[in-house]
Amino acid sequence: GDSVTQMEGPVTLSEEAFLTINCTYTATGYPSLFWYVQYPGEGLQLLLKATKADDKGSNKGFEATYRKETTSFHLEKGSVQVSDSAVYFCALRKGSSYKLIFGSGTRLLVRP
Amino acid sequence: NAGVTQTPKFQVLKTGQSMTLQCAQDMNHNSMYWYRQDPGMGLRLIYYSASEGTTDKGEVPNGYNVSRLNKREFSLRLESAAPSQTSVYFCASSEGEENNSPLHFGNGTRLTVT
Repeated sequence: GDSVTQMEGPVTLSEEAFLTINCTYTATGYPSLFWYVQYPGEGLQLLLKATKADDKGSNKGFEATYRKETTSFHLEKGSVQVSDSAVYFCALRKGSSYKLIFGSGTRLLVRP
Repeated sequence: NAGVTQTPKFQVLKTGQSMTLQCAQDMNHNSMYWYRQDPGMGLRLIYYSASEGTTDKGEVPNGYNVSRLNKREFSLRLESAAPSQTSVYFCASSEGEENNSPLHFGNGTRLTVT
């Protein structure tokens, strides 16, 4: 069945370091891909999305490119801040399905 | 600008007790969802409602029931709580069936069953 695999965390970085969180997916057809972020004590918020191959989603300095050839949607940011500390979820959604399939989440901790 | 509102924020139940988690959205969205979040397992879909008047099972529906009361409200009921239902529950909504329409989440209900 369809699935999303994320790198295990926690990922610990110093402020201003480069961030990559890996995400790969297994799905038939052409899913839309999403990154959601969850800050402590809150629900998930959409960070960015891409709906077709080679699309790049971007928001708040974060970017991810939909790579169909490698079935990947890795999240990157050039210079992280302490305020980026959160849990990041990669997810996919297919066609007319209402089901959003999530990865297990990656916790990011940014130290001053 | 409330978005998706869930009540209560916290709840402790004894095994066998029942309760209803409430969810309301003010974005005029057609679709609503209930997820549970457990450590290391991401979010799993319990039930969803594609539109007012319809509900369908997700991945983990056993032990739960739902009601789509109207377009705004979607409740989740635990008839006889079990310790395995200890989790954080999230309600979400989206505009509809387009696969790129994002979900908007509430802040969650943390439920402990003893």
